[in-house]
Amino acid sequence: EVQLVESGGGLVQPGGSLRLSCAASGFTFSSLWMAWVRQAPGKGLEWVAHIKQDGSEKDYVESVKGRFTISRDNAKNSLYLQMNSLRADDTAVYYCARDQGHSTYGAWGQGALVTVSS
Amino acid sequence: SYKLTQPPSVSVSPGQTASITCSGDKLGDKYVCWYQQKPGQSPVLLIYQNNKRPSGIPERFSGCNSGNTATLTISGTQAMDEADYYCQAWDGSTVFGGGTKLTVL
Repeated sequence: EVQLVESGGGLVQPGGSLRLSCAASGFTFSSLWMAWVRQAPGKGLEWVAHIKQDGSEKDYVESVKGRFTISRDNAKNSLYLQMNSLRADDTAVYYCARDQGHSTYGAWGQGALVTVSS
Repeated sequence: SYKLTQPPSVSVSPGQTASITCSGDKLGDKYVCWYQQKPGQSPVLLIYQNNKRPSGIPERFSGCNSGNTATLTISGTQAMDEADYYCQAWDGSTVFGGGTKLTVL
């Protein structure tokens, strides 16, 4: 069974940092692109970032470029999102998602809530 | 940046057919996915590559994509289909539509 389990969410002050993790199981993690997608309270889905199988290619939504870093550890079947200089508008549930090809997200984690507030 | 436009809401009576549209420039040239999200739950992939259903997705869900519009069709809509629906495409980066709230009444 495919499982994606996020952790690391919480309350952080504006300007602070947080690191999200996503533990993957039930599939060959190293063979697929992975992504982070977020959803602000009461809002729609927003793609945040994705990373190639070997980590050699990464891309980000414009609003997080220079502040967020996506990475992965294939030996640990884990995906990460380092978030720095957090702002109030980064408040959202962050989902880890498995890209099964052509940016098709066939599996999602349960989400991790990140709240940026003083 | 590329934009996908969905109607904010659609209503349908039980047993009837619901259609949810997703519009974007030359969308028919791209692959479109559709996701269903119920309150408090993670999104679920319903349709990928315009019209393919993952295993476990009921046949009443279908998709098509042509010109500037992709359409998700739900035949014989059930009360359990009440949810938010999102289209998604790739245009250099992944883009989601704003979402459509389907009400079954």
